Amino acid sequence: GQNIDQPTEMTATEGAIVQINCTYQTSGFNGLFWYQQHAGEAPTFLSYNVLDGLEEKGRFSSFLSRSKGYSYLLLKELQMKDSASYLCAALYCYYQLIWGAGSKLFLMP
Amino acid sequence: GAVVSQHPSRVICKSGTSVKIECRSLDFQATTMFWYRQFPKQSLMLMATSNEGSKATYEQGVEKDKFLINHASLTLSTLTVTSAHPEDSSFYICSARGPGDSDEQYFGPGTRLTVT
Repeated sequence: GQNIDQPTEMTATEGAIVQINCTYQTSGFNGLFWYQQHAGEAPTFLSYNVLDGLEEKGRFSSFLSRSKGYSYLLLKELQMKDSASYLCAALYCYYQLIWGAGSKLFLMP
Repeated sequence: GAVVSQHPSRVICKSGTSVKIECRSLDFQATTMFWYRQFPKQSLMLMATSNEGSKATYEQGVEKDKFLINHASLTLSTLTVTSAHPEDSSFYICSARGPGDSDEQYFGPGTRLTVT
């Protein structure tokens, strides 16, 4: 099966930069999603990468390397409201979405 | 953007009763909707894929007779948890595949089910 690996927890400081990595299996891969989920709430869409490279959206950027089966989410100028879980999910065969377990980001003032 | 609603947002029921959760795409037609379950501090677990006008496709280990899914229209899918037990207590989230050729999934706000 397809395994999605991402760190369980990360800690960062307000105002800093944090990078959350995600690796996936490349066979049948179409694209990579990143979602943010606050405790007790549904996930919200952050980004979707299909092509190699970095896509920037304000304070959040997402990178994809299709050949390496690797993606990362980069969060800049961290704010306390960024404390959340960040889920990566890989789309396979245009219909099967495989989710990572999520990376819980803890922020310190 | 595409909006998905879910009702109810929170429900508490007694063991043995059935609970129906509705998922609606408000401003687009969704031929495919997904039902997820999420236990505390865990990731989303796909339960089933719901296609309008046909039977839902259940993931391995999900009892189709216990979790009844109906996708009768292009804007509504329902999940009925039959004879609920305390171990069914969870956060249930639906999502809909975006309009057109979009691969993105738009999530409903979720339903917190507590079975006592």
